[in-house]
Amino acid sequence: QKEVEQDPGPLSVPEGAIVSLNCTYSNSAFQYFMWYRQYSRKGPELLMYTYSSGNKEDGRFTAQVDKSSKYISLFIRDSQPSDSATYLCALDSNYQLIWGAGTKLIIKP
Amino acid sequence: NAGVTQTPKFQVLKTGQSMTLQCAQDMNHNSMYWYRQDPGMGLRLIYYSASEGTTDKGEVPNGYNVSRLNKREFSLRLESAAPSQTSVYFCASSNGLAGVGTGELFFGEGSRLTVL
Repeated sequence: QKEVEQDPGPLSVPEGAIVSLNCTYSNSAFQYFMWYRQYSRKGPELLMYTYSSGNKEDGRFTAQVDKSSKYISLFIRDSQPSDSATYLCALDSNYQLIWGAGTKLIIKP
Repeated sequence: NAGVTQTPKFQVLKTGQSMTLQCAQDMNHNSMYWYRQDPGMGLRLIYYSASEGTTDKGEVPNGYNVSRLNKREFSLRLESAAPSQTSVYFCASSNGLAGVGTGELFFGEGSRLTVL
């Protein structure tokens, strides 16, 4: 079993929809939770960063961490075609950084 | 405003050939990394350098060597390329050491390597 599981998609939704992207993990030592966005043929870039449990909001994006369920989510409101990308979760245990495989998201105009 | 620059962007090798991927960052970061990205596998750490003068193995170091030439530059060498090394390689840098709660990695645009 991988330490971090992420559905590869692709996830295809119409413009304006609310998108939910998720990762599950097995190691309770993870303390820092990150979402990176990767456009086609580009390197990943940090989108959001959360410490411990709870929610964090940044514009149309909300990151949610549920440590009791070992489940993290990224919500995108009012999705735009420019949000089409692969979204990778990255989990930091204060010892090592573990990556999800990424979910490919397609927003249809 | 270059950030992390990788060369070459594309390379085709024959089995057994050697090559070096170059990486340079202009953000004065202490730590640098080499990752490979394969479909369905996510990013896997090959080698990293926590600071100038140090290098350490990551998750998948076999078949690779690295050199931290100075604070700016970190190169990855394939001594005898194999088809299993066909991948997209990313160099990244960070101010602190990733994996210890210090946050953001800055990535280059990737080097696409095919080994025939």
